[in-house]
Amino acid sequence: DAKTTQPNSMESNEEEPVHLPCNHSTISGTDYIHWYRQLPSQGPEYVIHGLTSNVNNRMASLAIAEDRKSSTLILHRATLRDAAVYYCILRADSSYKLIFGSGTRLLVRP
Amino acid sequence: SQTIHQWPATLVQPVGSPLSLECTVEGTSNPNLYWYRQAAGRGLQLLFYSVGIGQISSEVPQNLSASRPQDRQFILSSKKLLLSDSGFYLCAWIYGPMNTEAFFGQGTRLTVV
Repeated sequence: DAKTTQPNSMESNEEEPVHLPCNHSTISGTDYIHWYRQLPSQGPEYVIHGLTSNVNNRMASLAIAEDRKSSTLILHRATLRDAAVYYCILRADSSYKLIFGSGTRLLVRP
Repeated sequence: SQTIHQWPATLVQPVGSPLSLECTVEGTSNPNLYWYRQAAGRGLQLLFYSVGIGQISSEVPQNLSASRPQDRQFILSSKKLLLSDSGFYLCAWIYGPMNTEAFFGQGTRLTVV
């Protein structure tokens, strides 16, 4: 599975937008970009995923670079409940594996 | 609707004792099932995954084994626990195409003493 690189931690103020970056320079054409987040003492939860086009859902937006070598998870208005570790994962369409990296720990200041 | 059950929530076991953690999924059939471990302050490590009854793929050779005796049941076992087996164990399932979302259980926090 191709590797992703994320900053170890980021901070944001409550009610401000947050842009969480992810680099995946070795992404292949069949790799989907997935984002999960893990709140303290809980299992990860799905946030969003995409292949080439930008994606929006009720939780977040995913902006994918034109060359697909990087992507950004956008939380439009951070809340204290958004404080979590965010994982960017690449999954090949033919792969059964779901491999987590070290993720980005997001701290939200009141 | 689909749900995933994982138990127990917490467990304290002595070194050398056996382990059995169970995960069951309801409301779906033929799910892909996964076991992860998260050591304190660390990321999630994929331990095993299964795409069907009796089919187990091991990602990390270690003191653990997994079995899938029924379609929606996934069991993580150890014959003799080590201190290093302590951690947060999570079960997950995915149904259908690989690019649908994964659902995680609430986890079992295992402390080996």
